[in-house]
Amino acid sequence: DVKVTQSSRYLVKRTGEKVFLECVQDMDHENMFWYRQDPGLGLRLIYFSYDVKMKEKGDIPEGYSVSREKKERFSLILESASTNQTSMYLCASSSRSLVFNSPLHFGNGTRLTVT
Amino acid sequence: DAKTTQPPSMDCAEGRAANLPCNHSTISGNEYVYWYRQIHSQGPQYIIHGLKNNETNEMASLIITEDRKSSTLILPHATLRDTAVYYCIVTLNQAGTALIFGKGTTLSVSS
Repeated sequence: DVKVTQSSRYLVKRTGEKVFLECVQDMDHENMFWYRQDPGLGLRLIYFSYDVKMKEKGDIPEGYSVSREKKERFSLILESASTNQTSMYLCASSSRSLVFNSPLHFGNGTRLTVT
Repeated sequence: DAKTTQPPSMDCAEGRAANLPCNHSTISGNEYVYWYRQIHSQGPQYIIHGLKNNETNEMASLIITEDRKSSTLILPHATLRDTAVYYCIVTLNQAGTALIFGKGTTLSVSS
């Protein structure tokens, strides 16, 4: 089974701190994604990556950056955390299969609170 | 990507079939229909997807209308553990494309 592991289940940070959220997948997937989930808004895509060192903006990239130095690891960075970035952050990965439409595999999320 | 419309909530008795509808009237010919679910405090879980034909796997069945403007996810014998938010998504035929999640349907299964 595919495993997507997010380094922290809960995080509490102060306004202005630099925050790193880490995600590792063990299935050699090419694609990796970061979403945030807020009540009433569903999942919203922040950034995604199709390959090492490649990144694409999603719907809400402002205030975030990402890093993909190795295929299995995709990091989300909050350069200067703000209270409106308090949210559940979900990482996902998928295979860039040319034959099948590969589904997303999600981690269990990191609940970030910025005070 | 096409937009989907789902009812915000549904109830189902344990052991009965749960039929979750989804409207996607603007779907284009090469867009797939995906279903995911999210159980409380967990990440979303893939259930099933299809293009034109009905599909079945160990978790559920997917019925897509002939005009492809709507679909229904069927959980044949719902259990309490099926209580979750169910997301219907349509997306282009591109493997690994980032999916756009809406607000989904909250399914409550009760005994």
